[in-house]
Amino acid sequence: GQNIDQPTEMTATEGAIVQINCTYQTSGFNGLFWYQQHAGEAPTFLSYNVLDGLEEKGRFSSFLSRSKGYSYLLLKELQMKDSASYLCAVRAGGFKTIFGAGTRLFVKA
Amino acid sequence: DTGVSQNPRHKITKRGQNVTFRCDPISEHNRLYWYRQTLGQGPEFLTYFQNEAQLEKSRLLSDRFSAERPKGSFSTLEIQRTEQGDSAMYLCASSALQGGTEAFFGQGTRLTVV
Repeated sequence: GQNIDQPTEMTATEGAIVQINCTYQTSGFNGLFWYQQHAGEAPTFLSYNVLDGLEEKGRFSSFLSRSKGYSYLLLKELQMKDSASYLCAVRAGGFKTIFGAGTRLFVKA
Repeated sequence: DTGVSQNPRHKITKRGQNVTFRCDPISEHNRLYWYRQTLGQGPEFLTYFQNEAQLEKSRLLSDRFSAERPKGSFSTLEIQRTEQGDSAMYLCASSALQGGTEAFFGQGTRLTVV
């Protein structure tokens, strides 16, 4: 079966660091994506991991452990505009990308 | 070309009617995807095209759903005999052929079946 788990909601304070975890069980693996989605808008790409390790891009970093079926997205120096849903997605066998339900992040002042 | 374009943005239809949505991908992108998203959930894969060929289709997609990409450019998604459960946001995304390249999403078509 195909399953992607991530927390439903998280709350953090402006200026802080937050880590959003994602675990997955899929029949194949060709990479893991993180997308950001503001309410009523389309998802926008944040990061892609296909090999184990940490990928850093500005205030956002993403980590992958394929043996553990685990990834996290790290957001530093949180800003109010970072309040959004964060979607973990796995490209399973072929070109099918499976999305988790998303983690709603609330950033408070 | 500013991105993936979807039309219409909103559609309200009566149960039992047919609806068709259009997606214009980024021009140099060969891959095109359709997803459905309901409130509080992530996008659910519906189907995938590489150029004009429909290479993958979700088993969740009933026979009432059909998608085409006749010339390998724009795509249409048709839902026949709509049901209230079809109410959702229908998202189109496109990507380049190289492996690992992210998909760019359109703004979606929000369907409401009354």
